[in-house]
Amino acid sequence: KAGVTQTPRYLIKTRGQQVTLSCSPISGHRSVSWYQQTPGQGLQFLFEYFSETQRNKGNFPGRFSGRQFSNSRSEMNVSTLELGDSALYLCASSLGSGGYNEQFFGPGTRLTVL
Amino acid sequence: QQQVKQSPQSLIVQKGGISIINCAYENTAFDYFPWYQQFPGKGPALLIAIRPDVSEKKEGRFTISFNKSAKQFSLHIMDSQPGDSATYFCAATATGGGNKLTFGTGTQLKVEL
Repeated sequence: KAGVTQTPRYLIKTRGQQVTLSCSPISGHRSVSWYQQTPGQGLQFLFEYFSETQRNKGNFPGRFSGRQFSNSRSEMNVSTLELGDSALYLCASSLGSGGYNEQFFGPGTRLTVL
Repeated sequence: QQQVKQSPQSLIVQKGGISIINCAYENTAFDYFPWYQQFPGKGPALLIAIRPDVSEKKEGRFTISFNKSAKQFSLHIMDSQPGDSATYFCAATATGGGNKLTFGTGTQLKVEL
């Protein structure tokens, strides 16, 4: 069974640009969550999508947005990039939302903002 | 506001020794406490998890101890091996509110020969 895949794996952008990251969950999984990982702030929850609906949102500015498609694939978008957005962006998929669902993480997309 | 505090930040243990990582939480709505292991260049992987209705859970060399009244939980790695060298994160979630995980700050474990 294929794991969670994220594309691209590495990305370099400049301040002010926007970026779109993609996540393909494990087949059959309907929940996709996104996390930002930085050395200073650690792992922080961005948002969760379940059956194409945003279920939860973390404490990030509106420049961070996401969506989920009918095949459960998800994208996150960051507009007007800032230097502080440089991070590893991880997505995690799960069969369901809530309950004791194990979340499986992808390898992440390393975003560098210059 | 950091809701899950993790210590120590780094840990060096001799091969065969016991590694202990501690976490404390504040939010009493949390009812599921997983531990993740992360190797460089990889995403976190679930190691072991516990619900608050039990005080201990063991899987192989890994044990979680849970103290609900103190709002603390810890990971014990018995017979630590060099292959265990990784970063460990405790996490917590309120299962009624979706899959949002609140992570601790991580512990970098190094197991020396």
